[in-house]
Amino acid sequence: AQSVSQHNHHVILSEAASLELGCNYSYGGTVNLFWYVQYPGQHLQLLLKYFSGDPLVKGIKGFEAEFIKSKFSFNLRKPSVQWSDTAEYFCAVNTYGNNRLAFGKGNQVVVIP
Amino acid sequence: NAGVTQTPKFQVLKTGQSMTLQCAQDMNHEYMSWYRQDPGMGLRLIHYSVGAGITDQGEVPNGYNVSRSTTEDFPLRLLSAAPSQTSVYFCASSKDGPELANYGYTFGSGTRLTVV
Repeated sequence: AQSVSQHNHHVILSEAASLELGCNYSYGGTVNLFWYVQYPGQHLQLLLKYFSGDPLVKGIKGFEAEFIKSKFSFNLRKPSVQWSDTAEYFCAVNTYGNNRLAFGKGNQVVVIP
Repeated sequence: NAGVTQTPKFQVLKTGQSMTLQCAQDMNHEYMSWYRQDPGMGLRLIHYSVGAGITDQGEVPNGYNVSRSTTEDFPLRLLSAAPSQTSVYFCASSKDGPELANYGYTFGSGTRLTVV
């Protein structure tokens, strides 16, 4: 079964700082990759996704992620965070032919004004 | 367009009680799933369904039952509640399975369940 690892569960940074959240998965076949965001008190929303093509994908709110197949990684980045980016971020992986979406444990990001 | 609707939003149960968490979607999505979210554990898949009449187990199915008699509804039943089932439960749907979910999942707003 596929597994998803997210490191640095708690991240605290100041506004305008850059953010990078790591995501590694364990499956070696074809994968679909997602990042979801959960703002305080809200449900999960899709931030961006990768299915195929350009490994650098851009999502909403200035976020981007890069798929590096050789490293089994799909790291999320934002060059300059805002206070409104305070949220929990989840990486998720689906493997081709599998009806399950596996989530990582999440990164709790707090942006200090 | 309501999306995915979960009820109730909050529930307190006593150990041993049973209850049903409701999930309904009005987007004609074939794929529906239930997750539980616990601090430091992320989201774990309980059960999922690829269409009416078809359900399957996820990572943590014990203590939960599901059925899918219609495309719209996917209720989650707790047979005999235990404190370990204290969690936030999310229902999610997608037009296709996750491998074809071009727009990702649509999540409900969650049910916060406490078992005492």
